[in-house]
Order: sequence, then structure tokens, then C-alpha cells
Amino acid sequence: EIVLTQSPGTLSLSPGERATLSCRASQTVSGSYLAWYQQKPGQAPRLLIYSTSSRATGIPDRFSGSGSGTDFTLNISRLEPEDFALYYCQHFDNSPPGFTFGPGTKVAIK
Amino acid sequence: QVQLQESGPGLVEPSQTLSLTCTVSGGSVSSGAYSWTLIRQRPGKGLEWIGSILYSGDTYHNPSLSSRITMSVDTSDNQFSLMLASVTAADTAVYLCARGNYGAYVAFDIWGQGTKVTVSS
Repeated sequence: EIVLTQSPGTLSLSPGERATLSCRASQTVSGSYLAWYQQKPGQAPRLLIYSTSSRATGIPDRFSGSGSGTDFTLNISRLEPEDFALYYCQHFDNSPPGFTFGPGTKVAIK
Repeated sequence: QVQLQESGPGLVEPSQTLSLTCTVSGGSVSSGAYSWTLIRQRPGKGLEWIGSILYSGDTYHNPSLSSRITMSVDTSDNQFSLMLASVTAADTAVYLCARGNYGAYVAFDIWGQGTKVTVSS
């Protein structure tokens, strides 16, 4: 079973700063099936990035993803007020088929 | 625009079966381009995948919940459903429907707003 670990647990930054969020897998995974989601209080998650680095429809280009193997990163180049939220990474394993989420990183206003 | 809407009981007694339905509007649950998934979020916790179903009825479940899960799809009503047996307080959560898009490597591109389920006597 693949376990995803996210760090840091909380990232305190100011608007305009760059955010770097880490997602580490317990074993090598296919980057094709690595996604990132944003969740705000009281709302459902929103897909930001799929296949490690592809932005979902309507996602601003300040969001970018990268990585391979066991280490993946979500970058937010310049934080906007609406970007302060929880972020989850997620992986799909083909064999056996199943999904795993990381525990999340909270991006908080400093 | 595709939308998902969960409907659930709100309150379930311990040891009973939780039944939850997700209705798909603006799209078809019969499309082979998507999978249909239930995810839950316990109070103050992260996201937990419960199970997924295809239009064909093929399913795959979280191993930790598999013995208690039944999922089904109703193409005539454009819905998919979850039954979770023998619930306990640990099953108290917001339950969310999501669409897995094979064009986005099965990432969940559409979500319902969620329905809160409390397990209590």
C-alpha cells in the first residue's frame, strides 16, 4: 500500500510570496496518476493539477506541479488571497486499483 | 455542465446500514470515459477514498472498508450508490461524490458538495 506524506503540515506565508508544497510517496509511483487538490472550508475539493504537472481546466498558471519517482511538488508562484486553503496530493494505483490521499498541507496567512 | 448531488440519511444508528446516492446531472453515468467515486472526510480530518464504480458495474473498494461496502450504478436514473454496513461512530463524516476523468488520468475533476452523515443512537 502506497502512503503519501505531505510537508509541511502548515505553511505560513504572505500574499505575493511563493509557496512550495511537498508530497512524498512511500515507494516509486507513476507520475501520470499524481494529482493535487485545493479545499476551502465548507467546500468540496477542486482539482488543480493532474498527471504531476498538467493544470486542470480554469486553473491559473501561478499553480504548477513537478516531480517524479517518490517526490512531487506543488508550487504557487505568487499567493493570492484566495489561495489560502488546504492542499491534498492524491495518487491512483493501477494494481490493485485504488486511490490514496496525502494528509494535506494548510497554506495559512502569515 | 456536469453536476453531482449527494443524498443521504443525515443520521444513522450504530450497526445499521448507511445508504447514500449520487445523482449525475448534465452528463451520463453510462459514459465509459469516467469512473464514479465516493470519498469521505471525517470531522477535522483529510480525504479518504471509499470506492469507485464504472458504468459497467465493475467496482473497486478501499481494502479497509471493502467487507462493508456495496456499490451500484443505475443508468436509468443516472445515479450511483453506496451502502456501508455495520456503521459505527467512526463512520461519521461528510460523504462526497466525485467523477474520475480518464482523460485526466482518473483525477477527480467534478465533485458534489457533500452530505453530512452522523452515526449516533
